[in-house]
Amino acid sequence: GDSVTQMEGPVTLSEEAFLTINCTYTATGYPSLFWYVQYPGEGLQLLLKATKADDKGSNKGFEATYRKETTSFHLEKGSVQVSDSAVYFCALSEGGRGSTLGRLYFGRGTQLTVWP
Amino acid sequence: DSGVTQTPKHLITATGQRVTLRCSPRSGDLSVYWYQQSLDQGLQFLIQYYNGEERAKGNILERFSAQQFPDLHSELNLSSLELGDSALYFCASSPRTGGRNSPLHFGNGTRLTVT
Repeated sequence: GDSVTQMEGPVTLSEEAFLTINCTYTATGYPSLFWYVQYPGEGLQLLLKATKADDKGSNKGFEATYRKETTSFHLEKGSVQVSDSAVYFCALSEGGRGSTLGRLYFGRGTQLTVWP
Repeated sequence: DSGVTQTPKHLITATGQRVTLRCSPRSGDLSVYWYQQSLDQGLQFLIQYYNGEERAKGNILERFSAQQFPDLHSELNLSSLELGDSALYFCASSPRTGGRNSPLHFGNGTRLTVT
């Protein structure tokens, strides 16, 4: 079945460092891929998405490219800030033409802590 | 603010008891999803409703049930509670049945503690 594998955390970085969080997926159809972020005490918020191969999602300085050949959707940011400290989740939704199932399959999450 | 409202925020109860968690989706959203987040299992999909009807079922225990009402709010009922049911329960909504162009919007969750 469909699944997502995320790099294990926690990840600790200094402010302005480069961030990469790896995510790979297994899917039978043509999934859409998402990154969600969860700040302490809050629900998950959509960070970015990509709906087809070679699409690049971007938001707030974060980027991820949908790579079908390597089944990956790695999250990157060139210069992290203290305010980026949160848990990041990679997710996929069952895709395919005409699919009506919208549930998301999540990775285990990666805790990011950024120090000033 | 995602527009998805969950109540209560916290719930503490004893083993064997029954609780009801409530979710109001974003205005106009027809689909509601329930997820359980725990340290050992991560985020697990429980169940999805679309416009009042059950659409998809995930790892939902038989002791758990849900429904979506005509006003589109949803309730998740957990009965015969066990210590292992302690978790954060999230509700999410989307405009249609979800999918590639319809990402989910999450509430802030209900933290359930079973003692």
